Amino acid sequence: DTEVTQTPKHLVMGMTNKKSLKCEQHMGHRAMYWYKQKAKKPPELMFVYSYEKLSINESVPSRFSPECPNSSLLNLHLHALQPEDSALYLCASSHDRDQPQHFGDGTRLSIL
Amino acid sequence: QKEVEQNSGPLSVPEGAIASLNCTYSDRGSQSFFWYRQYSGKSPELIMFIYSNGDKEDGRFTAQLNKASQYVSLLIRDSQPSDSATYLCALPEGGNTGKLIFGQGTTLQVKP
Repeated sequence: DTEVTQTPKHLVMGMTNKKSLKCEQHMGHRAMYWYKQKAKKPPELMFVYSYEKLSINESVPSRFSPECPNSSLLNLHLHALQPEDSALYLCASSHDRDQPQHFGDGTRLSIL
Repeated sequence: QKEVEQNSGPLSVPEGAIASLNCTYSDRGSQSFFWYRQYSGKSPELIMFIYSNGDKEDGRFTAQLNKASQYVSLLIRDSQPSDSATYLCALPEGGNTGKLIFGQGTTLQVKP
């Protein structure tokens, strides 16, 4: 079990669906992250939130839309995804930027 | 562009032996180094971090940092089959961005 909780653990969606991934941490961390990971590759950074403000968007397509409602929650809204978006989506948090990051268990996403 | 290099392996060691995992990095100014363990199909788990030259020990794990030679190592003593996983070396990009630069990971196989 990790201290960063992600839901759902698995998600199958069609290309026209809208869904959201959720992430929650109660460690008082002020930085939160979304990553995408493909098989046998390291995690690939998508977004960085610091003190609830978006500080980095790694040129992610607009079909991925992050949201940080408060210091403990991070959402990733998904719309009109493509089959190549199928991957493990990881949320992480850290005390502050450039500090060790703690990952959640991830959401395994499959696009039909 | 900072780079982190790891031998992809697989590194195979017998049970009870010492496993030595190595990572080299390109930026001499790098200050922090993180080791993650990732089991197949699971999320990365932070197992060690090191900031200072020398050794840092935590149970069966020892991280070694040599800034002059720009390498960081992870030693696993008394290796167990449960240590079989991919080990990712990572360091902050710097500038307080929060972005981590990951190596490609080394796959460790511990044979009973």
